[in-house]
Amino acid sequence: GNSVTQMEGPVTLSEEAFLTINCTYTATGYPSLFWYVQYPGEGLQLLLKATKADDKGSNKGFEATYRKETTSFHLEKGSVQVSDSAVYFCALKRSNYQLIWGAGTKLIIKP
Amino acid sequence: NAGVTQTPKFRILKIGQSMTLQCTQDMNHNYMYWYRQDPGMGLKLIYYSVGAGITDKGEVPNGYNVSRSTTEDFPLRLELAAPSQTSVYFCASSTGTGTDTQYFGPGTRLTVL
Repeated sequence: GNSVTQMEGPVTLSEEAFLTINCTYTATGYPSLFWYVQYPGEGLQLLLKATKADDKGSNKGFEATYRKETTSFHLEKGSVQVSDSAVYFCALKRSNYQLIWGAGTKLIIKP
Repeated sequence: NAGVTQTPKFRILKIGQSMTLQCTQDMNHNYMYWYRQDPGMGLKLIYYSVGAGITDKGEVPNGYNVSRSTTEDFPLRLELAAPSQTSVYFCASSTGTGTDTQYFGPGTRLTVL
């Protein structure tokens, strides 16, 4: 069946460090892939998305590339800030209504 | 633009009590969803709706009910609260077309004692 696996957190980095949060998926066909972010005390919001193989989604300095050959959609940022501290969720779209979610990865950035 | 709003933000229930979690969206979205988020877990879909008058079960519907009498509102009802329903509940909406970004409310933190 369809599933999403994310690296376990928390991930703790110093400000200006390079960030990678791994996400791999299992799915039939070519699902759309998403990264959502949840800041403390808030609901989830879309960070970026990709709809087909080799697409790169980007937003706020974050990037992720849809890799069909490795079934991955890893999130990267070149230089993180304290304000990036949040929980990051990877998800795939299975149908018109359903997203399949990873467990989330908590990111802590220390000044 | 309010987006998706949820009330209440926090609630404590005793076992066996009932309550309704309210959700309203002002984006004229056809699709609406209820999720629960348990610690260390991804979101689980409870119920969803593709339009007024139409609802269907998600992955974890037991113990919950929904209705969708208008496009804007999608309340979630807990009839007999159980400790297993302690969770954070999120309402979301989307257009239901294209890549279909889901827009989330701020959540309701529910504790059942």
